[in-house]
Amino acid sequence: ETGVTQSPTHLIKTRGQQVTLRCSSQSGHNTVSWYQQALGQGPQFIFQYYREEENGRGNFPPRFSGLQFPNYSSELNVNALELDDSALYLCASSGGLGGRADTQYFGPGTRLTVL
Amino acid sequence: QKEVEQDPGPLSVPEGAIVSLNCTYSNSAFQYFMWYRQYSRKGPELLMYTYSSGNKEDGRFTAQVDKSSKYISLFIRDSQPSDSATYLCAMSALDRLAFGKGNQVVVIP
Repeated sequence: ETGVTQSPTHLIKTRGQQVTLRCSSQSGHNTVSWYQQALGQGPQFIFQYYREEENGRGNFPPRFSGLQFPNYSSELNVNALELDDSALYLCASSGGLGGRADTQYFGPGTRLTVL
Repeated sequence: QKEVEQDPGPLSVPEGAIVSLNCTYSNSAFQYFMWYRQYSRKGPELLMYTYSSGNKEDGRFTAQVDKSSKYISLFIRDSQPSDSATYLCAMSALDRLAFGKGNQVVVIP
């Protein structure tokens, strides 16, 4: 088990609603990355935060936004939910900017269902 | 063309067999090459990583990278039922990991 925790575990929302997902990074890690994993697919990079600043973004629309707090925990916010947003949302923490891949530790994920 | 291609077909093997998985990639900027294991309803767990062409062994697992062909492989020797999981290849371009679709592997006792 990694030290990365995510909440909630499961979430059901309806189309058009907004959702906030939370991640606590492993102790000592200052970089958090978020990924979306649709059923049967590999995780897709959403964005990364380093010391409270966005550092890199994947091909996701602006309604996907995030925050990182001084304690390096992070939130992922999704506005105007669409059915295709149903997925497992994964948070990964690492120890530095563009952290070496071997230091990205994944949490268990939040499973979001949009009805 | 996707950055990382992994034939997502499921794979069933008898216990003790060798499991062979592979991925191809198109982005020459990738520096690190990894294999993750993901059990059902869990987050991915780093299994192997390497940053150079050649082979790397860790117990029953061998990761192979051929940068000239943009091709990576994972071999699992003496497969066990506990190896049943989805295996994802991933590559790193500084800030992000780019993943393949994953292969579901079932090891039959």
